[in-house]
This record gives sequence, C-alpha cells and structure tokens, in this order.
Amino acid sequence: RKEVEQDPGPFNVPEGATVAFNCTYSNSASQSFFWYRQDCRKEPKLLMSVYSSGNEDGRFTAQLNRASQYISLLIRDSKLSDSATYLCVVAPGRDDKIIFGKGTRLHILP
Amino acid sequence: DTAVSQTPKYLVTQMGNDKSIKCEQNLGHDTMYWYKQDSKKFLKIMFSYNNKELIINETVPNRFSPKSPDKAHLNLHINSLELGDSAVYFCASSIRGGKLFFGSGTQLSVL
Repeated sequence: RKEVEQDPGPFNVPEGATVAFNCTYSNSASQSFFWYRQDCRKEPKLLMSVYSSGNEDGRFTAQLNRASQYISLLIRDSKLSDSATYLCVVAPGRDDKIIFGKGTRLHILP
Repeated sequence: DTAVSQTPKYLVTQMGNDKSIKCEQNLGHDTMYWYKQDSKKFLKIMFSYNNKELIINETVPNRFSPKSPDKAHLNLHINSLELGDSAVYFCASSIRGGKLFFGSGTQLSVL
C-alpha cells in the first residue's frame, strides 16, 4: 500500500456542484493531516488542517477517519476559482517525514 | 515580505554543470526542506534539516548536497547536472511536524 494515495482525477464538476475526494494513508501512527492546494506552475499552499473531530472552513469541510485511515475534503457550491490540484499531506509522529499524495486534479466547469 | 524565498526562479543550464539554489525563510521556523516536483507533478521530499542538522535524506544521488549555514537558510548544490534533474525544486519550512510553507519554486531545465 502506498504511503499516501489519492485518486488523480481529473474531476470535472459543474460550477455550483458539491465535490468530495478522499485520501488514504498507510501509517497508522500518523499524527497530522492537511489539505494543500496547488495551482498550475505555483507552489502548494495550505488549504486547511484536518482535525480528528472534522472541521469546516467556509465551503470546505475536512474529515479524518482514523479507523479506516483516510481523510476527505468536501467542497460545496464550487467556484471556477476552485480549479486546482488538491494535495493530501500526512505527517507521521516520529520520523518527521511529511508525505504528499500525488494530488487530485479538479476542474470546475462554467 | 516573502516568508520563504528561493532563488533563482528559473535555471537553464547544460548537462555536466554545477549549480546552486538558495532558500531563506523569515518565519522563525526550525525545520527546512527541499522537495522535487517532476514532470508527472509528484512532489517528493529530498532533504529535511532541523536546526541546521540533517534529519531526512531520501534516496537522492550524492550529486545533490544540501547546506544549512543557519536555521533560516537551506541551500541546494547540484553537481554534474543530468537531463533527469530537470524539475521544479521547492524549498519549504515549518515548525517541526507542523504545516509547511513553500517558496515559489525553482524551475530547473538541463539541456
């Protein structure tokens, strides 16, 4: 099983729709989880941290399921500007190796 | 004020040359990283330094040598450049185990 695995997409979604994608991780000792966003030819930028109880930031909701070892990102009322690659990031507790998933490409269609 | 700055933004060079990429952060973080993003867009860690000490060294050719003169700087020197080294190199910093903040990347093209 890969350390961090994501569906590469692309997800082609009409504007205004709700879209969700998951990310699975293999290291059960992982402590911290994040979603990053990367626009074409730009650096990755933190979108949101993922907390055990789940958390919401505007139209974005992140969830963590430790038992099944996955995190999810839900985007409601999608905007054209949401088009980007979404990277799942997992930070294990001890070895300091922060692992990035390969990203899920999202295209919001007008 | 740019939090994590790396230079140069673009680097075009011939095979066999030696080049360096510099990175500086003004966030007061104690950990810095180098990541490589290849043509398939996969972001892979190369090195990590914590307080000037190497803590992660992934399977990277020894032509790549990071240097951290102080905890705010992490430079990457590459010897004998090869075609396969062409990629975007990102520097990042964090509090140890925390969120990463990235520089804007250095696009390296080896001809």
